[in-house]
Amino acid sequence: EPEVTQTPSHQVTQMGQEVILRCVPISNHLYFYWYRQILGQKVEFLVSFYNNEISEKSEIFDDQFSVERPDGSNFTLKIRSTKLEDSAMYFCASSVRENSNQPQHFGDGTRLSIL
Amino acid sequence: AQTVTQSQPEMSVQEAETVTLSCTYDTSESDYYLFWYKQPPSRQMILVIRQEAYKQQNATENRFSVNFQKAAKSFSLKISDSQLGDAAMYFCAYRSAWGGSEKLVFGKGTKLTVNP
Repeated sequence: EPEVTQTPSHQVTQMGQEVILRCVPISNHLYFYWYRQILGQKVEFLVSFYNNEISEKSEIFDDQFSVERPDGSNFTLKIRSTKLEDSAMYFCASSVRENSNQPQHFGDGTRLSIL
Repeated sequence: AQTVTQSQPEMSVQEAETVTLSCTYDTSESDYYLFWYKQPPSRQMILVIRQEAYKQQNATENRFSVNFQKAAKSFSLKISDSQLGDAAMYFCAYRSAWGGSEKLVFGKGTKLTVNP
């Protein structure tokens, strides 16, 4: 069964540095998402992306965050100047969205640790 | 804004027994979707079961079933004949049906342990 794949599985970065998290969504999916989970807290929505533009974003997704689909397969989340509070598990997801009961399929996540 | 609450941080069940995980949610919308996702240790979240709010019939998927009480805004998951492979974090999630929002709103999760 096709899967959403995320790389790297664990990223350690110095505070203030830029980091790029990568995702390969399922090939026929049209909607792409990023979520994050700070340790011990809920999984929170960050952003959704459709037709090469952001369709929805949360309050968390401020100017330090950006997303891009640089080619036909990858979907990236860039954090420009990382802060300690960006340490979290970041999940990528994708969906077909022929209708809204179609589930979002998640990757294994990238654990981001900011030092 | 919608919220999802899972009041049981941890649950345990004996193999072959039945366990029910609780989920309540708050919304002013009349049409929406509810999901249960399972996340085994160090693995991706996998959809277990989904429910459309406009359907009165409770969803079932093999050993997994839900008790959807729309008026009470309750969406519990029942796992029958529990297996060792059912051990995981279980997340309840909500999504709007209209208005263009595709985001999932999650609860904090319930860690399920299955004892042999």
